[in-house]
Amino acid sequence: AAGVIQSPRHLIKEKRETATLKCYPIPRHDTVYWYQQGPGQDPQFLISFYEKMQSDKGSIPDRFSAQQFSDYHSELNMSSLELGDSALYFCASSLGIGDNEQFFGPGTRLTVL
Amino acid sequence: GENVEQHPSTLSVQEGDSAVIKCTYSDSASNYFPWYKQELGKGPQLIIDIRSNVGEKKDQRIAVTLNKTAKHFSLHITETQPEDSAVYFCAASSDGGFKTIFGAGTRLFVKA
Repeated sequence: AAGVIQSPRHLIKEKRETATLKCYPIPRHDTVYWYQQGPGQDPQFLISFYEKMQSDKGSIPDRFSAQQFSDYHSELNMSSLELGDSALYFCASSLGIGDNEQFFGPGTRLTVL
Repeated sequence: GENVEQHPSTLSVQEGDSAVIKCTYSDSASNYFPWYKQELGKGPQLIIDIRSNVGEKKDQRIAVTLNKTAKHFSLHITETQPEDSAVYFCAASSDGGFKTIFGAGTRLFVKA
């Protein structure tokens, strides 16, 4: 069965640079969630989109923005990167309202030097 | 704000024994409680979930119980196997809500 696809899988950036992470949800899933997971920590909810509109917002820094496109894929844009942004970034998808079951992608490991 | 507490943070059991992980949540509007298993280098994988209109759910060696009055839910793994070793996260969310709050995780070691 098709799963959530994330790209790139690994990314290395310098401080103050920008990064763009991409997420392709499971076909027919209309909701996308972004999470940040630091070493040894639980996933922290950043933001979600339902039918291409922002549906909820968590602890996402103002330096980050995201959007969901007409084909339901999503991109997380991260600017003015800081050392503390180094983490695993997971995308998950679901069928949206009424079905909370989220399927997680393999994650993007971002390292900020 | 919403909070999910999870205990213990580390659990070590002998192969064949049972493992129990407990969570409490603060948001009374929460009505969906998934459990995720995360192996090294991989994303969390849903292993079982329960909704607030159900008190217990079982799937082979895994069971989850929910006490909505106490805002408490637990994961039970019976006949543990070495491949059950991983980090387990509980979580809570509400219908129509898109924010899922995770517990801090439990690192389970199953010794052969």
